Amino acid sequence: DQQVKQNSPSLSVQEGRISILNCDYTNSMFDYFLWYKKYPAEGPTFLISISSIKDKNEDGRFTVFLNKSAKHLSLHIVPSQPGDSAVYFCAAGGLNTGNQFYFGTGTSLTVIP
Amino acid sequence: DAGVTQSPTHLIKTRGQHVTLRCSPISGHKSVSWYQQVLGQGPQFIFQYYEKEERGRGNFPDRFSARQFPNYSSELNVNALLLGDSALYLCASSTTPGLAGTDTQYFGPGTRLTVL
Repeated sequence: DQQVKQNSPSLSVQEGRISILNCDYTNSMFDYFLWYKKYPAEGPTFLISISSIKDKNEDGRFTVFLNKSAKHLSLHIVPSQPGDSAVYFCAAGGLNTGNQFYFGTGTSLTVIP
Repeated sequence: DAGVTQSPTHLIKTRGQHVTLRCSPISGHKSVSWYQQVLGQGPQFIFQYYEKEERGRGNFPDRFSARQFPNYSSELNVNALLLGDSALYLCASSTTPGLAGTDTQYFGPGTRLTVL
């Protein structure tokens, strides 16, 4: 049972434009959400997080939006750069989720120069 | 500062064999979690250890076991390897066991296990 879903396996964006990556979850007990970026042959690198008490968190070019009622979060990258090309995973966890984070299947972002 | 380190980088085993994977957390981190990532999927949680005690276990068979040492490093052991165990095994460390749901996990580069 996939509790965190990333329905877009891939996304292509022109350099300088906005990249929007989406993530949906089913467990209302999740209250902490993270985005990771993964290059081939490397482990996931932490990008940005958000707790359920907020609906937006910003860090430089990266902004995460959380819509709790829709159980949806998104990652915005502005402006997109070729170095952003990677697989992006969203993950969710919480106080009562068994001490683990649940990951989506990832979205492969390609930023075209 | 050194990040999470894992060894070995790559490993090839045959069915039925046993394997031990190792992880050293970021200095000051007391919690280690293990994940399995099969090609095309997101990481799947296997175990979490905090202060040498198991704090969480994912839906994996008893062939999978782990332990944490006094220096907070950790080993993941897999017995009676199956072809389906071929995956990237990731270790992540954090300062707390994530009970508060606010503690970020930092990942190592992973160990690529191939079972033939």
